[in-house]
Amino acid sequence: LAKTTQPISMDSYEGQEVNITCSHNNIATNDYITWYQQFPSQGPRFIIQGYKTKVTNEVASLFIPADRKSSTLSLPRVSLSDTAVYYCLVGEADKLIFGTGTRLQVFP
Amino acid sequence: NAGVTQTPKFRVLKTGQSMTLLCAQDMNHEYMYWYRQDPGMGLRLIHYSVGEGTTAKGEVPDGYNVSRLKKQNFLLGLESAAPSQTSVYFCASSYLTGGEQFFGPGTRLTVL
Repeated sequence: LAKTTQPISMDSYEGQEVNITCSHNNIATNDYITWYQQFPSQGPRFIIQGYKTKVTNEVASLFIPADRKSSTLSLPRVSLSDTAVYYCLVGEADKLIFGTGTRLQVFP
Repeated sequence: NAGVTQTPKFRVLKTGQSMTLLCAQDMNHEYMYWYRQDPGMGLRLIHYSVGEGTTAKGEVPDGYNVSRLKKQNFLLGLESAAPSQTSVYFCASSYLTGGEQFFGPGTRLTVL
């Protein structure tokens, strides 16, 4: 099972860029890296997915180094509404482990 | 397009009672999943299905059974509820294994 390690919590202020790093030392060759966001009392919501190098969409960027043993989710110019828990996952179906995630608190 | 829906939203059971949670998706996804989330914890996979008529165990399957008789529905059953099964249950579906999962709103279950 590809276990991931993330910081338990992070604080930021509105307008700043936030980078959340995830460690996944035993990632398998075929595994993708996926990030989810979860608000209280809601199911997780997909943010971004990547395999290597850099992926960017309208809400975030995902940076993956060549060895793929870690990844960094980058949220540009966060707002109060980005306060949530962020999960990093690697693997497929029965091998997905959400872990405890990173609780991001954005202050005004 | 409703996405993933779950029924019921809330339920209180007494120890030993049984119940079934229903998950439905209208995206024609092959893969469906049941997770539980305890306070302050991440989601843990209970059971999953890779297609109609198939089911498989996840990380924490004990005390639960599942069925996927129709592609759009995935049922989670508790035959004899225990207080340790008090949790929020989330259903999800995806087109590909490892692909983006779409989650339902959750079912909050309390077992007294």
